[in-house]
Amino acid sequence: EAQVTQNPRYLITVTGKKLTVTCSQNMNHEYMSWYRQDPGLGLRQIYYSMNVEVTDKGDVPEGYKVSRKEKRNFPLILESPSPNQTSLYFCASGSQPQHFGDGTRLSIL
Amino acid sequence: GQQVMQIPQYQHVQEGEDFTTYCNSSTTLSNIQWYKQRPGGHPVFLIQLVKSGEVKKQKRLTFQFGEAKKNSSLHITATQTTDVGTYFCAYDRGSTLGRLYFGRGTQLTVWP
Repeated sequence: EAQVTQNPRYLITVTGKKLTVTCSQNMNHEYMSWYRQDPGLGLRQIYYSMNVEVTDKGDVPEGYKVSRKEKRNFPLILESPSPNQTSLYFCASGSQPQHFGDGTRLSIL
Repeated sequence: GQQVMQIPQYQHVQEGEDFTTYCNSSTTLSNIQWYKQRPGGHPVFLIQLVKSGEVKKQKRLTFQFGEAKKNSSLHITATQTTDVGTYFCAYDRGSTLGRLYFGRGTQLTVWP
Protein backbone atom coordinates (compact mmCIF):
# COMPACT_ATOMS: atom_id res chain seq x y z
CA GLU A 1 0.00 0.00 0.00
CA ALA A 2 1.30 3.45 -0.97
CA GLN A 3 2.14 5.34 2.17
CA VAL A 4 3.71 8.47 3.53
CA THR A 5 4.51 7.97 7.19
CA GLN A 6 5.21 10.83 9.55
CA ASN A 7 6.32 10.60 13.16
CA PRO A 8 5.46 11.74 15.69
CA ARG A 9 1.79 12.58 15.13
CA TYR A 10 1.72 14.90 18.10
CA LEU A 11 4.46 16.60 20.06
CA ILE A 12 4.49 19.18 22.83
CA THR A 13 7.92 20.53 23.59
CA VAL A 14 9.70 23.61 24.87
CA THR A 15 11.49 26.45 23.18
CA GLY A 16 15.03 25.65 22.13
CA LYS A 17 14.88 21.86 22.40
CA LYS A 18 15.94 20.40 19.07
CA LEU A 19 13.45 18.10 17.44
CA THR A 20 13.13 16.04 14.30
CA VAL A 21 9.98 15.01 12.49
CA THR A 22 10.55 11.99 10.33
CA CYS A 23 8.92 11.29 6.99
CA SER A 24 9.17 8.12 4.96
CA GLN A 25 7.56 7.10 1.66
CA ASN A 26 7.38 3.73 -0.06
CA MET A 27 6.47 4.91 -3.57
CA ASN A 28 10.01 5.50 -4.84
CA HIS A 29 9.19 9.15 -5.49
CA GLU A 30 12.01 11.51 -6.25
CA TYR A 31 10.11 14.59 -5.10
CA MET A 32 9.27 15.17 -1.46
CA SER A 33 8.25 18.28 0.44
CA TRP A 34 7.26 19.69 3.79
CA TYR A 35 4.37 22.06 4.47
CA ARG A 36 3.03 23.82 7.47
CA GLN A 37 -0.66 24.57 7.79
CA ASP A 38 -1.98 27.43 9.88
CA PRO A 39 -5.59 28.64 10.11
CA GLY A 40 -6.48 30.93 7.23
CA LEU A 41 -3.10 30.57 5.57
CA GLY A 42 -3.53 27.29 3.75
CA LEU A 43 -0.52 25.08 3.04
CA ARG A 44 2.80 26.83 2.93
CA GLN A 45 5.83 24.99 1.68
CA ILE A 46 8.86 24.89 3.97
CA TYR A 47 11.39 22.88 1.98
CA TYR A 48 11.34 20.51 -0.92
CA SER A 49 13.64 17.93 -2.40
CA MET A 50 13.81 16.91 -6.02
CA ASN A 51 16.08 13.94 -5.37
CA VAL A 52 18.66 12.52 -3.02
CA GLU A 53 21.02 15.24 -1.80
CA VAL A 54 19.00 17.90 -3.66
CA THR A 55 16.97 20.19 -1.42
CA ASP A 56 15.74 23.74 -1.75
CA LYS A 57 13.87 26.34 0.23
CA GLY A 58 10.16 26.78 -0.10
CA ASP A 59 8.19 29.84 0.96
CA VAL A 60 8.77 29.68 4.73
CA PRO A 61 12.14 27.97 5.38
CA GLU A 62 13.36 30.10 8.31
CA GLY A 63 14.02 28.06 11.43
CA TYR A 64 13.93 24.71 9.64
CA LYS A 65 16.43 22.30 8.14
CA VAL A 66 15.99 19.20 6.04
CA SER A 67 18.14 16.42 4.69
CA ARG A 68 17.68 13.86 1.94
CA LYS A 69 20.33 11.21 2.33
CA GLU A 70 18.20 8.46 0.89
CA LYS A 71 15.23 8.49 -1.40
CA ARG A 72 12.60 7.26 0.98
CA ASN A 73 13.31 9.57 3.94
CA PHE A 74 13.00 13.33 4.26
CA PRO A 75 13.25 14.47 7.89
CA LEU A 76 12.36 17.97 9.04
CA ILE A 77 14.65 19.39 11.71
CA LEU A 78 13.91 22.24 14.08
CA GLU A 79 17.27 23.08 15.63
CA SER A 80 15.93 25.62 18.11
CA PRO A 81 12.13 25.57 18.03
CA SER A 82 10.21 28.70 18.91
CA PRO A 83 6.52 29.23 19.71
CA ASN A 84 5.82 30.66 16.24
CA GLN A 85 6.62 27.22 14.86
CA THR A 86 3.59 25.78 16.60
CA SER A 87 1.65 24.40 13.69
CA LEU A 88 0.36 21.39 11.81
CA TYR A 89 3.04 19.92 9.55
CA PHE A 90 2.57 17.73 6.52
CA CYS A 91 5.10 15.75 4.58
CA ALA A 92 4.22 15.05 0.96
CA SER A 93 5.65 12.72 -1.64
CA GLY A 94 5.39 12.83 -5.41
CA SER A 95 4.34 15.71 -7.60
CA GLN A 96 1.40 14.90 -9.84
CA PRO A 97 -0.30 14.12 -7.60
CA GLN A 98 1.18 14.71 -4.18
CA HIS A 99 0.55 12.14 -1.48
CA PHE A 100 0.39 13.52 2.03
CA GLY A 101 1.23 12.01 5.37
CA ASP A 102 -1.26 12.14 8.23
CA GLY A 103 0.34 15.23 9.72
CA THR A 104 2.29 16.16 12.83
CA ARG A 105 0.84 18.63 15.28
CA LEU A 106 3.64 20.48 17.02
CA SER A 107 3.18 22.70 20.05
CA ILE A 108 6.20 24.71 21.14
CA LEU A 109 5.80 26.22 24.60
CA GLY B 1 3.94 34.40 -2.74
CA GLN B 2 0.64 32.87 -3.64
CA GLN B 3 -0.48 33.42 -7.17
CA VAL B 4 -3.96 31.97 -6.95
CA MET B 5 -6.93 33.33 -5.08
CA GLN B 6 -9.54 30.93 -3.85
CA ILE B 7 -13.03 32.18 -3.15
CA PRO B 8 -14.97 32.00 -1.01
CA GLN B 9 -12.84 31.31 2.05
CA TYR B 10 -15.81 29.80 3.85
CA GLN B 11 -19.12 28.42 2.66
CA HIS B 12 -21.99 27.09 4.71
CA VAL B 13 -24.75 25.21 2.90
CA GLN B 14 -27.68 23.07 3.81
CA GLU B 15 -27.52 19.48 2.73
CA GLY B 16 -28.86 19.17 -0.80
CA GLU B 17 -27.75 22.63 -1.90
CA ASP B 18 -25.08 23.10 -4.52
CA PHE B 19 -21.60 24.46 -3.80
CA THR B 20 -18.95 26.07 -5.96
CA THR B 21 -15.42 27.18 -5.17
CA TYR B 22 -13.28 29.20 -7.53
CA CYS B 23 -9.56 29.39 -8.07
CA ASN B 24 -8.35 32.50 -9.92
CA SER B 25 -4.89 33.32 -11.17
CA SER B 26 -3.43 36.50 -12.62
CA THR B 27 -1.23 34.46 -14.94
CA THR B 28 -1.73 31.46 -17.19
CA LEU B 29 -1.39 28.15 -15.41
CA SER B 30 0.10 25.03 -16.96
CA ASN B 31 -2.24 22.85 -14.97
CA ILE B 32 -4.40 22.85 -11.85
CA GLN B 33 -4.93 20.22 -9.22
CA TRP B 34 -7.69 19.98 -6.64
CA TYR B 35 -7.36 18.47 -3.19
CA LYS B 36 -9.82 17.81 -0.37
CA GLN B 37 -8.94 17.84 3.30
CA ARG B 38 -11.48 16.42 5.72
CA PRO B 39 -11.52 17.88 9.25
CA GLY B 40 -8.60 16.37 11.14
CA GLY B 41 -7.26 14.75 8.00
CA HIS B 42 -4.67 15.35 5.36
CA PRO B 43 -5.10 16.72 1.84
CA VAL B 44 -6.16 14.09 -0.66
CA PHE B 45 -5.78 14.51 -4.40
CA LEU B 46 -9.03 14.74 -6.32
CA ILE B 47 -8.15 15.60 -9.90
CA GLN B 48 -5.79 17.36 -12.29
CA LEU B 49 -6.83 19.56 -15.21
CA VAL B 50 -4.41 20.34 -17.98
CA LYS B 51 -6.24 21.43 -21.12
CA SER B 52 -7.87 24.75 -21.82
CA GLY B 53 -11.63 24.51 -21.25
CA GLU B 54 -11.33 21.04 -19.77
CA VAL B 55 -14.28 19.70 -17.79
CA LYS B 56 -14.09 16.56 -15.69
CA LYS B 57 -16.70 14.93 -13.51
CA GLN B 58 -16.49 12.67 -10.53
CA LYS B 59 -20.01 11.68 -9.49
CA ARG B 60 -21.48 14.89 -8.01
CA LEU B 61 -18.25 16.87 -8.47
CA THR B 62 -17.59 18.86 -11.64
CA PHE B 63 -14.20 20.43 -12.27
CA GLN B 64 -13.53 23.07 -14.91
CA PHE B 65 -10.42 24.73 -16.26
CA GLY B 66 -11.01 28.06 -17.92
CA GLU B 67 -10.42 28.71 -21.59
CA ALA B 68 -7.56 31.08 -20.77
CA LYS B 69 -6.19 28.65 -18.17
CA LYS B 70 -6.32 31.38 -15.55
CA ASN B 71 -9.17 30.07 -13.48
CA SER B 72 -10.74 26.86 -12.34
CA SER B 73 -13.83 25.84 -10.43
CA LEU B 74 -15.09 22.91 -8.43
CA HIS B 75 -18.85 22.47 -8.29
CA ILE B 76 -20.63 20.00 -6.04
CA THR B 77 -24.23 19.17 -6.86
CA ALA B 78 -26.60 18.36 -4.01
CA THR B 79 -24.08 18.46 -1.19
CA GLN B 80 -23.97 15.76 1.44
CA THR B 81 -22.50 15.81 4.92
CA THR B 82 -19.63 13.71 3.59
CA ASP B 83 -18.58 16.69 1.44
CA VAL B 84 -17.53 18.63 4.53
CA GLY B 85 -13.92 19.74 4.44
CA THR B 86 -11.52 22.21 2.91
CA TYR B 87 -10.98 22.22 -0.83
CA PHE B 88 -7.66 23.43 -2.18
CA CYS B 89 -6.53 24.20 -5.66
CA ALA B 90 -2.85 23.88 -6.50
CA TYR B 91 -0.66 24.51 -9.49
CA ASP B 92 2.91 24.06 -10.57
CA ARG B 93 4.93 26.60 -12.51
CA GLY B 94 6.32 24.07 -14.90
CA SER B 95 9.87 25.34 -14.41
CA THR B 96 10.39 23.67 -11.04
CA LEU B 97 9.32 20.11 -11.58
CA GLY B 98 7.07 18.87 -8.87
CA ARG B 99 6.75 21.97 -6.74
CA LEU B 100 3.10 22.79 -6.06
CA TYR B 101 1.68 26.12 -4.96
CA PHE B 102 -1.55 25.89 -3.01
CA GLY B 103 -4.41 28.30 -2.71
CA ARG B 104 -5.66 29.06 0.79
CA GLY B 105 -8.64 26.78 0.41
CA THR B 106 -12.40 26.98 0.76
CA GLN B 107 -13.82 25.51 3.93
CA LEU B 108 -17.19 23.89 3.32
CA THR B 109 -19.68 23.20 6.09
CA VAL B 110 -22.82 21.23 5.34
CA TRP B 111 -25.81 21.38 7.67
CA PRO B 112 -27.91 18.23 7.80
